[in-house]
Amino acid sequence: DGGITQSPKYLFRKEGQNVTLSCEQNLNHDAMYWYRQDPGQGLRLIYYSQIVNDFQKGDIAEGYSVSREKKESFPLTVTSAQKNPTAFYLCATTPTSGGNEQFFGPGTRLTVL
Amino acid sequence: QKEVEQNSGPLSVPEGAIASLNCTYSDRGSQSFFWYRQYSGKSPELIMSIYSNGDKEDGRFTAQLNKASQYVSLLIRDSQPSDSATYLCAVNYYGNNRLAFGKGNQVVVIP
Repeated sequence: DGGITQSPKYLFRKEGQNVTLSCEQNLNHDAMYWYRQDPGQGLRLIYYSQIVNDFQKGDIAEGYSVSREKKESFPLTVTSAQKNPTAFYLCATTPTSGGNEQFFGPGTRLTVL
Repeated sequence: QKEVEQNSGPLSVPEGAIASLNCTYSDRGSQSFFWYRQYSGKSPELIMSIYSNGDKEDGRFTAQLNKASQYVSLLIRDSQPSDSATYLCAVNYYGNNRLAFGKGNQVVVIP
């Protein structure tokens, strides 16, 4: 069963805690992305990775960290430094050969209590 | 900062009518253009991609691209209640495969 999986679907965090969101893909896509979506806002890019062991900051990287140790996995850590972490987090991938289209996982909804 | 503008407010259309959505972008070097559909509480789903000037049709959806005027549009023919969703316009950054997204347009199809 191919696709992009994100876990957990819902996540609750207390203030001051770090949490890690999982994104796994078995599509053999090279590039992976993390976005944040807030109500009434478009998608804002947090981090992206074009190849294993390399990643770049997006537009709103402060308070977040990532790793890309395997092609299939691109976990996102929301640290306590992120001041307003409550949001819908989306992971996406781009095919190795294609026209820049991105495909999204089902998302993780993070709520800070 | 690459900008993608979707300025229209919520669009209400009767069932069976045509819904028309517009999107403008700032980067003249952009080459790839996409429309995504997002149901409430769900992730975006790619419904159309267009790379050349003109029209591209896929079922009830038609994407139109005009690079000289820097706009891309989406037409939904014979609108159905299942088309009720938010539609996101996305445009690539010239020279890499990052995408810039508009804020989206909500479409409500009234039975």
